[in-house]
Amino acid sequence: EAQVTQNPRYLITVTGKKLTVTCSQNMNHEYMSWYRQDPGLGLRQIYYSMNVEVTDKGDVPEGYKVSRKEKRNFPLILESPSPNQTSLYFCASSKSYGGPDQETQYFGPGTRLLVL
Amino acid sequence: LAKTTQPISMDSYEGQEVNITCSHNNIATNDYITWYQQFPSQGPRFIIQGYKTKVTNEVASLFIPADRKSSTLSLPRVSLSDTAVYYCLVGDVSGAGSYQLTFGKGTKLSVIP
Repeated sequence: EAQVTQNPRYLITVTGKKLTVTCSQNMNHEYMSWYRQDPGLGLRQIYYSMNVEVTDKGDVPEGYKVSRKEKRNFPLILESPSPNQTSLYFCASSKSYGGPDQETQYFGPGTRLLVL
Repeated sequence: LAKTTQPISMDSYEGQEVNITCSHNNIATNDYITWYQQFPSQGPRFIIQGYKTKVTNEVASLFIPADRKSSTLSLPRVSLSDTAVYYCLVGDVSGAGSYQLTFGKGTKLSVIP
């Protein structure tokens, strides 16, 4: 089954404790991205990757890191989480970048993060 | 930047047709218009995509006028299960060639029995 998976689905942590949220897709997609969703603010893009070893900042990259060492995986790293990073996070992938393919995205189920 | 503007919320009775309009005045020549549906605590789901005129699939229709500065998502005969947030998305390719995607705040559709 074609899908985007994220782990963990729920996470409670404390300020400053490094964490990684994994994202994996099995569709051989080139483009992957991370979003956060907060009440009243909609979906905001954090980082995106056009292909292996190619990443770029989205709208709200501060406090986050990403890497794309393999095509299928795109982990989101919070080196020193803070309470303002409490949010619902979504990973997404699309067949390629640019044009209609990029805008046809498959989203993961989400990771709900609480930073105390 | 191809920023989008949608109504914050809409209400509709079951069985009615619902039309949600999205404004995107600065849409670029090569940009497509894509709509997503999102249920609470779930990831958005692709509904429909178009470039001009009209596109129809089993779920919805998308109407795009000639100037492409707006688009209208049409949901025929909505049911309670169509209660969700609907996002209009327009590609955002900057002059530097970035491929950032920008979602608007979406339209919360509430279907009433």
